[in-house]
Amino acid sequence: AQSVTQPDIHITVSEGASLELRCNYSYGATPYLFWYVQSPGQGLQLLLKYFSGDTLVQGIKGFEAEFKRSQSSFNLRKPSVHWSDAAEYFCAVGAGQAGTALIFGKGTTLSVSS
Amino acid sequence: GAGVSQTPSNKVTEKGKYVELRCDPISGHTALYWYRQSLGQGPEFLIYFQGTGAADDSGLPNDRFFAVRPEGSVSTLKIQRTERGDSAVYLCASSLRGNNSPLHFGNGTRLTVT
Repeated sequence: AQSVTQPDIHITVSEGASLELRCNYSYGATPYLFWYVQSPGQGLQLLLKYFSGDTLVQGIKGFEAEFKRSQSSFNLRKPSVHWSDAAEYFCAVGAGQAGTALIFGKGTTLSVSS
Repeated sequence: GAGVSQTPSNKVTEKGKYVELRCDPISGHTALYWYRQSLGQGPEFLIYFQGTGAADDSGLPNDRFFAVRPEGSVSTLKIQRTERGDSAVYLCASSLRGNNSPLHFGNGTRLTVT
């Protein structure tokens, strides 16, 4: 069965600094990988996804993520963080088969300091 | 267009009572998912519908939990004999086809069992 680990529970970054949120997955075949963001009082919003092809994927709000099969990782990055990026971020993995649901990590809370 | 709608947004009930949580998916989305999110955790998969049938209910914690989607659109999550441990935010998501199509989440129903 697939699983997701987000090693960092809470990260604080200065506004304008770069960001990297870590995600490691466990799955025997090529996974489908996602990053979602959850702002206070709002639903989960898809940032980006990886299915196949180019291992560097671009998402909304200036985020990108890189799939590294050798490290079983799918880390989320942003070159310059804005105060509005403060939220909770979830990595998720899907098995790529019809009828299977996404499995989410426990999330990383991002705080942005001025 | 309209997103995924969940009602009520908040529900407080006494231990032992029965509750129903409703989800209106995005029109035309054939796949519907229920997740549960406890404080400090990522969304935990409960059940997945493809059309009217439950394609995967392996995440339901016990037989007190049941969900239906009789016409392939609106879904109701039903919890019998509620326990304090059932307190969580219950999230509904829909997707166009399932099969790892991106999930669109509602804002959730916060259930509190006193």
